[in-house]
Amino acid sequence: LAKTTQPISMDSYEGQEVNITCSHNNIATNDYITWYQQFPSQGPRFIIQGYKTKVTNEVASLFIPADRKSSTLSLPRVSLSDTAVYYCLVGSLDSNYQLIWGAGTKLIIKP
Amino acid sequence: DSGVTQTPKHLITATGQRVTLRCSPRSGDLSVYWYQQSLDQGLQFLIQYYNGEERAKGNILERFSAQQFPDLHSELNLSSLELGDSALYFCASSVAPENRDTQYFGPGTRLTVL
Repeated sequence: LAKTTQPISMDSYEGQEVNITCSHNNIATNDYITWYQQFPSQGPRFIIQGYKTKVTNEVASLFIPADRKSSTLSLPRVSLSDTAVYYCLVGSLDSNYQLIWGAGTKLIIKP
Repeated sequence: DSGVTQTPKHLITATGQRVTLRCSPRSGDLSVYWYQQSLDQGLQFLIQYYNGEERAKGNILERFSAQQFPDLHSELNLSSLELGDSALYFCASSVAPENRDTQYFGPGTRLTVL
């Protein structure tokens, strides 16, 4: 199973770029990497998904190296409203299909 | 608003009791997922259904069971409740069952076991 590891917490300041890395050493060939954002007492919300190289959308970028054993979520010019928990999700399509969520990274943005 | 609805929003019950949580997926979504999130903890995947059939099973206790009905709504049954079952229970839905499919989460049901 593709176990994931993320930093427990990170601090940054408004206007900065924030990079959160997730390690998934045992990622399977068919697995995609998805990142979600969660505010307190709310369900997680999709941010971005990728398979390899770089993906960019209107809110974030996702960098995945060639070996795919890690991925980095990049949030450009963060604001106070980006304070949340960020989860890395790697699906495992082996015979015991599992959805392995990272423990989440609590990101605190300071003014 | 994700389009996923969950009822009830809050539930307070006693140890040993049984409760049922309900989820209606987004229109057109065939797959439903159930998650448990204890206070300040991460998401624990419980179970997934796709078009009425169980697709994947995570860390779901034997006291817990779920099903997806022909109209695609799903119910999570929790029995012989213990204090440790107090948590937020989220339902999510996606179009298809594969991990590349975006999951849309409902607002959750907060269960308190006294």
